[in-house]
Amino acid sequence: KAGVTQTPRYLIKTRGQQVTLSCSPISGHRSVSWYQQTPGQGLQFLFEYFSETQRNKGNFPGRFSGRQFSNSRSEMNVSTLELGDSALYLCASSYDRNTEAFFGQGTRLTVV
Amino acid sequence: GIQVEQSPPDLILQEGANSTLRCNFSDSVNNLQWFHQNPWGQLINLFYIPSGTKQNGRLSATTVATERYSLLYISSSQTTDSGVYFCAVDSRDYKLSFGAGTTVTVRA
Repeated sequence: KAGVTQTPRYLIKTRGQQVTLSCSPISGHRSVSWYQQTPGQGLQFLFEYFSETQRNKGNFPGRFSGRQFSNSRSEMNVSTLELGDSALYLCASSYDRNTEAFFGQGTRLTVV
Repeated sequence: GIQVEQSPPDLILQEGANSTLRCNFSDSVNNLQWFHQNPWGQLINLFYIPSGTKQNGRLSATTVATERYSLLYISSSQTTDSGVYFCAVDSRDYKLSFGAGTTVTVRA
């Protein structure tokens, strides 16, 4: 059974650019969540999608957005990148709320 | 939101030693998971344990939901156990809230 797949694994972007990250969940899982990990703030929740609907959103600026497709794959977009957006972005998939979550390998974003 | 505190923040062990990591949380939870973050950043599932006790090889975990804490036990530690261990809980707001982690270093 394939795990959660995130692409790309590494990205280097310039301030002001935008970036799109992709996450393919485990087959059969309909919930996809995104998290940001930084040394200073730890692991923080960005948003959660279920059946193409955003059900929950963390405390991040509107520059961070996401979507989910009918096949449950999800993308997150960060516009007008800032140096502080440099982080490891992790995607998790689960069957639904209150079920075990499984994480992908992450996308390491560096903004220069 | 719910607060998650992990202790100790750092743990240095000699190979073969046993250890206990603790996770305290401030509200009732629907879900509690323990993860081990590998050097490449991926969170590896150790236990899904909203209550009760589970064992997997040299690792075991206990969650006492009524007292709002969970413990992760590592027995006969090996150098491959090194890394950061995270506790994450899902309260009524349906998102995982993570503790700051415990960094474990196992020396040969």
